[in-house]
Amino acid sequence: DTGVSQNPRHKITKRGQNVTFRCDPISEHNRLYWYRQTLGQGPEFLTYFQNEAQLEKSRLLSDRFSAERPKGSFSTLEIQRTEQGDSAMYLCASSPRLAGTDTQYFGPGTRLTVL
Amino acid sequence: AQKITQTQPGMFVQEKEAVTLDCTYDTSDPSYGLFWYKQPSSGEMIFLIYQGSYDQQNATEGRYSLNFQKARKSANLVISASQLGDSAMYFCAMTREDSSASKIIFGSGTRLSIRP
Repeated sequence: DTGVSQNPRHKITKRGQNVTFRCDPISEHNRLYWYRQTLGQGPEFLTYFQNEAQLEKSRLLSDRFSAERPKGSFSTLEIQRTEQGDSAMYLCASSPRLAGTDTQYFGPGTRLTVL
Repeated sequence: AQKITQTQPGMFVQEKEAVTLDCTYDTSDPSYGLFWYKQPSSGEMIFLIYQGSYDQQNATEGRYSLNFQKARKSANLVISASQLGDSAMYFCAMTREDSSASKIIFGSGTRLSIRP
């Protein structure tokens, strides 16, 4: 399987705990994106990386959220001191950033439930 | 700021019929890209079709075509000969088409249900 992979697929945690999600992009895609999707809504942008550099962060990404892509390959998204409002699907996408288009290919997502 | 509007929260279509999903957009960027994604109940966002703002012809991918009307700022998705497996959420989306382009802006989606 050469698509975007995400782990875990589901995560249930208690309020106040920290959680970390992993995303492995399509090989050789230099851009990696994180989105959050709540029930009945379209995905909302959180942040993106070009190689290892984090180039943009949404204001949705509070200081409890941190994302890394240390070697320009896989990325992690950590949420500290989780709140019930963090319950959502967290989607990762990658793109090759070819000139003229930037089609993003999404992973299966990690569904987070905060009790 | 960019905005995507999908006015059909849900649609029911008979199997084998064609269906049009509406999408209008708003942007001040001179160059942009428009996308449609399909999201089945499993949750994965599946890329369907892309249209660049300067493309002269409407994009087509198999049973999917994008009816791009630039002056009206609309980018409707047409699915021909619908199948039961087409039942899913469909999202219209857009992005800027320049070196600083990053995020995709999504609409609120249309839930398509295909009746046998």
